[in-house]
Amino acid sequence: DTAVSQTPKYLVTQMGNDKSIKCEQNLGHDTMYWYKQDSKKFLKIMFSYNNKELIINETVPNRFSPKSPDKAHLNLHINSLELGDSAVYFCASSQEGLAGGDGELFFGEGSRLTVL
Amino acid sequence: GQNIDQPTEMTATEGAIVQINCTYQTSGFNGLFWYQQHAGEAPTFLSYNVLDGLEEKGRFSSFLSRSKGYSYLLLKELQMKDSASYLCAPGNGDKIIFGKGTRLHILP
Repeated sequence: DTAVSQTPKYLVTQMGNDKSIKCEQNLGHDTMYWYKQDSKKFLKIMFSYNNKELIINETVPNRFSPKSPDKAHLNLHINSLELGDSAVYFCASSQEGLAGGDGELFFGEGSRLTVL
Repeated sequence: GQNIDQPTEMTATEGAIVQINCTYQTSGFNGLFWYQQHAGEAPTFLSYNVLDGLEEKGRFSSFLSRSKGYSYLLLKELQMKDSASYLCAPGNGDKIIFGKGTRLHILP
């Protein structure tokens, strides 16, 4: 059983389109995250949710909108895609927020988004 | 502000020992993580240091000095499968801030 699963794994689309990436975790964790890893390999946090509540919004353009229907799911919707949005997007979860416990992150396999 | 400094690349020989150093500056520090990331894959957790000192876990050990803002990851008995990027990641409040990573090449 995959602990953190995200779909799709690959996404190729045109500038200006809207796309979504879905994430689900079956670990019973309370906190979920979206990270972006660009071509320079920097892994940057975008959002975190704790039990469906937004905790971190890390200066991300409004075109990016996370949605957490329940604590096991955190989806990412991106409007009006731009070339600079091309990256690998990783979903992750942890048992507690990083300020509590050891905060070990469990990552999904990543979704590679290519904007043409 | 936040700053994480670790070497971009390192090369070592199979069976040898390698130490990957990391210095960091961050406010609200609450621990130091090391993650491993193979090319094209997701990062996986290696270690977490909260207190000063050395934590050993099999072939991997991680050291932390909070006062110096310094950590290292020590890999012993290197294997070819250890070829990967190693990400130093200080915890900052509710966030983990990842460094750019050190790409480790293992030669036979």
